[in-house]
Amino acid sequence: GQNIDQPTEMTATEGAIVQINCTYQTSGFNGLFWYQQHAGEAPTFLSYNVLDGLEEKGRFSSFLSRSKGYSYLLLKELQMKDSASYLCAVRDASGDSNYQLIWGAGTKLIIKP
Amino acid sequence: DSGVTQTPKHLITATGQRVTLRCSPRSGDLSVYWYQQSLDQGLQFLIQYYNGEERAKGNILERFSAQQFPDLHSELNLSSLELGDSALYFCASSELAGGGETQYFGPGTRLLVL
Repeated sequence: GQNIDQPTEMTATEGAIVQINCTYQTSGFNGLFWYQQHAGEAPTFLSYNVLDGLEEKGRFSSFLSRSKGYSYLLLKELQMKDSASYLCAVRDASGDSNYQLIWGAGTKLIIKP
Repeated sequence: DSGVTQTPKHLITATGQRVTLRCSPRSGDLSVYWYQQSLDQGLQFLIQYYNGEERAKGNILERFSAQQFPDLHSELNLSSLELGDSALYFCASSELAGGGETQYFGPGTRLLVL
């Protein structure tokens, strides 16, 4: 089966670091995406990982371990504007999937002053 | 601004009615995806079109249908509306057919069924 798990909600302090985890189970894997979504707004693309390792992009980094079916999004120097939901999505390369994205339910991140 | 446009931004209608949501993809993108997001829920993939043809189907109800026109804009038709259809409807686009390409989302249409 196909399954993506993320924590429902996390709280962190302004200026701190937070790690949002995502674990997945898919029949075929061909990449993992992270998107940010502010309440009532459209998701916006943050990062894409297809090989194991860490991808750094400014204050945001994303890590992937294909053997463990695991990814995390690391946010540094947290700002109030980082309060949002973070969506993990896996590209499914199995069967008749047509390489569709399987979306997690999202992690709501609350930043406190 | 992702370059994907959606109209209308808001729509209020009554149960049993029919509505049409419109989406224009980014310039050069051939694929259009439709998603439904109910309050505090995750994204539910409905359907994908690529260059005018249906490419993939998700959890789309039979009361819902979509099409992509020669100019690549797409419309999502929702009929016999129910209270539970109230949600944000997003359109996304990507360059090619692979559903796993980076998708760029429009601002969404907020539908309220009363």
